[in-house]
Amino acid sequence: DIVMTQSPDSLAVSLGERATINCKSSQSILYTSNNKNYLSWYQQKPGQPPKLLIYWASTRQSGVPDRFSGSGSGTDFILTISSLQAEDVAVYYCQQYYTTPLTFGGGTKVEI
Amino acid sequence: EVQLVESGGGLVQPGGSLRLSCSASGFTFSSHALHWVRQSPTKGLEYLSAISHDGGATYYADSVKGRFTVTRDSSKNTLFLHMTSLRTDDSGVYFCVRSDSYGFPYFLDHWGQGTLVTVSS
Repeated sequence: DIVMTQSPDSLAVSLGERATINCKSSQSILYTSNNKNYLSWYQQKPGQPPKLLIYWASTRQSGVPDRFSGSGSGTDFILTISSLQAEDVAVYYCQQYYTTPLTFGGGTKVEI
Repeated sequence: EVQLVESGGGLVQPGGSLRLSCSASGFTFSSHALHWVRQSPTKGLEYLSAISHDGGATYYADSVKGRFTVTRDSSKNTLFLHMTSLRTDDSGVYFCVRSDSYGFPYFLDHWGQGTLVTVSS
């Protein structure tokens, strides 16, 4: 199985400041034939299911604010919240869909 | 609007069985692969099972292979997860999830609210 490792486990950021979350896969999740990274990011608020934010490592899902951005390739990826808002308090997960089983990182809790 | 509504969770004894259902609406049911993902405090988010758009292909994680069966009924727009030989570590919230694809693996674009399964004596 591909192991997804996130850091840090938790992060405290002031309102309006930048939040950066790292995700590392145990093997490359870049499919060279189409040059796509099979990496997605999810946001989960208390009592709610995960919500898709980013797929193909950097494509924002419809309706997701542009303060959320994804970057990286191969084995190293980053989710950036450019200017943290109160409603962004949540746990964020990365996930690979390069192969089954799909695997998730352990999550990063973002607080104010 | 895409909606996925799970039901069927509850308290069951170790060794028991349970059938989860997921009623889908707001999209063409037969055009999307569907998945089950479990969340627990001990294991986090765990991918359990998948079924292709037409039911022709299925996937099971090693932890549930031989004990769980995923099926879908296109006449009722419903996904099922039949769970047998339940163990205490099968406890958690079970999410029904859609992917924007006919098959799998693919990213998971819509999640249900989840149904809680507790396996305990």
